[in-house]
Amino acid sequence: KAGVTQTPRYLIKTRGQQVTLSCSPISGHRSVSWYQQTPGQGLQFLFEYFSETQRNKGNFPGRFSGRQFSNSRSEMNVSTLELGDSALYLCASSLGIGTGGLEQYFGPGTRLTVT
Amino acid sequence: GEDVEQSLFLSVREGDSSVINCTYTDSSSTYLYWYKQEPGAGLQLLTYIFSNMDMKQDQRLTVLLNKKDKHLSLRIADTQTGDSAIYFCAEMSGGGATNKLIFGTGTLLAVQP
Repeated sequence: KAGVTQTPRYLIKTRGQQVTLSCSPISGHRSVSWYQQTPGQGLQFLFEYFSETQRNKGNFPGRFSGRQFSNSRSEMNVSTLELGDSALYLCASSLGIGTGGLEQYFGPGTRLTVT
Repeated sequence: GEDVEQSLFLSVREGDSSVINCTYTDSSSTYLYWYKQEPGAGLQLLTYIFSNMDMKQDQRLTVLLNKKDKHLSLRIADTQTGDSAIYFCAEMSGGGATNKLIFGTGTLLAVQP
């Protein structure tokens, strides 16, 4: 079974631009969560989706948004990029929620660099 | 509040046991996790333990939980150079209402040949 895939793997953008990152969960998984990883702040939770609904959101500005499609694939968008948005963005998938959310499997991440 | 702390660095010799420690503050944590991250890679789920358990063993990995002290540890037996990585502990709370994980700062394990 294929793992979690994230595209693109690397991205370079300029301040002020916007970016869209994609995550395809493991086949059969219906829950997707996003995390931001930086050297200074570590791993921080961004959002969580299940059945196309956002269930939880982390403490990030409104420039960060996401969505989930009917096939469970998810995208996150960052508008008006800032230098501080440079990070590794990780996506995790799980079967569902409750006990279905216990085992979360992470993708390789998208490395975003903002110049 | 939610806070998970780990020591930053651990160095061991190949063949020795490694013990990575973690403390957490959220008394409502239901599940506690260990993840491994190798350079340039995502997080690999190693193991997890329910908060009403004291210990869980999985091959070379042993997880110990002291709920009273909110202390979690991961023991790796017969540590190999391939175990060199950053290890994160994480807690999941919220009683099943969320899959959100709160991660520690990570411990860099360096295995000397």
